[in-house]
Amino acid sequence: AQTVTQSQPEMSVQEAETVTLSCTYDTSESDYYLFWYKQPPSRQMILVIRQEAYKQQNATENRFSVNFQKAAKSFSLKISDSQLGDAAMYFCAYSGGGADGLTFGKGTHLIIQP
Amino acid sequence: SAVISQKPSRDICQRGTSLTIQCQVDSQVTMMFWYRQQPGQSLTLIATANQGSEATYESGFVIDKFPISRPNLTFSTLTVSNMSPEDSSIYLCSVEEDIFGGIPNEQFFGPGTRLTVL
Repeated sequence: AQTVTQSQPEMSVQEAETVTLSCTYDTSESDYYLFWYKQPPSRQMILVIRQEAYKQQNATENRFSVNFQKAAKSFSLKISDSQLGDAAMYFCAYSGGGADGLTFGKGTHLIIQP
Repeated sequence: SAVISQKPSRDICQRGTSLTIQCQVDSQVTMMFWYRQQPGQSLTLIATANQGSEATYESGFVIDKFPISRPNLTFSTLTVSNMSPEDSSIYLCSVEEDIFGGIPNEQFFGPGTRLTVL
């Protein structure tokens, strides 16, 4: 079974600074998908960014980018120019594709200091 | 992206009763999923609900406790049966937009149903 590990229960960063959230996963598959979801206090899950394992290029979405290291099974999220609205729980998730649901890590609580 | 609504948004229930949670999508989707998020925890997949077939349950979840219906391509229900305080959680549905209509393997989530069992 696949597992997703987020080793940072909580991270704190100053507004406008850069922060990196860590995620590692375990799978025997060669083709899969990785995601970062954001869950603010409203509890609505919001997709931040996704990465297909067959793509070598790291995904970017505006201030959000990932560092995908397939051999190391590592998938970190970098948030640049942090904003107060970025404060939330961030979940790393894995999908094997097809009819698979998502396997989530335990989450990282991101605090933005004004 | 698909717009998903859930009813009720929250409920407080007595031990031993059952609650049915509805999930409505504004477009036709093949695959729907139900997740549980226990207080302060991550999301755990309960089951996959595809229209026209029986739901597929993950380890630790059984149909007698969490019966699911999927009568059409825009609607699903999850029932939490014979509830106990341990069932107090947020229950979320999600959908995966069909490959021809959206990005494959990208799931969108409903707002969740917060259930408290006394």
